[in-house]
Amino acid sequence: DTGVSQNPRHKITKRGQNVTFRCDPISEHNRLYWYRQTLGQGPEFLTYFQNEAQLEKSRLLSDRFSAERPKGSFSTLEIQRTEQGDSAMYLCASSLGGSGEAFFGQGTRLTVV
Amino acid sequence: GEDVEQSLFLSVREGDSSVINCTYTDSSSTYLYWYKQEPGAGLQLLTYIFSNMDMKQDQRLTVLLNKKDKHLSLRIADTQTGDSAIYFCAETPGSARQLTFGSGTQLTVLP
Repeated sequence: DTGVSQNPRHKITKRGQNVTFRCDPISEHNRLYWYRQTLGQGPEFLTYFQNEAQLEKSRLLSDRFSAERPKGSFSTLEIQRTEQGDSAMYLCASSLGGSGEAFFGQGTRLTVV
Repeated sequence: GEDVEQSLFLSVREGDSSVINCTYTDSSSTYLYWYKQEPGAGLQLLTYIFSNMDMKQDQRLTVLLNKKDKHLSLRIADTQTGDSAIYFCAETPGSARQLTFGSGTQLTVLP
């Protein structure tokens, strides 16, 4: 399967714990995006990378959220000191330059209890 | 500002055509997209249209773009039960690279 891969698919964590999600984009895609989706809403943009550079991060929801793409391939999204309001689906997408086509992974569903 | 609006629900009979509508606010959007999301799944890119086009057809899907009214529609011909899903309209506003999504339209196909 050469699509966008996200791990884990589901994560249940206790409030206050840190969580990290991984995204492996389509191999030749240089752009990688993170979105958050809550029930009944469309995905909400968080941040994006072009190669290893994080070009937009002002939409990250708080300073508890951070993302990396150290070698321009896979990316991680970390949430520190999770809160119940962080419960959502976290989606990753990738695209090739200005192609206009962004492909999404299956998402990681986070539940904070 | 960035805002994409869609009606929340649409029901059609199997075999009929479905038309899902969307309005957006950023006239500088370069691309406009339609994505499909089935329960528990990620988003599947159905089709997209470049802003200098009025129409795009791809098999059962027809996209119409009215730039003057900032209105986008997706027509699905011969709608099937497998088309039941949430459909999201999205744009790339201005020079942004990320997508701005609407809240989605739940399409229910009745037998």
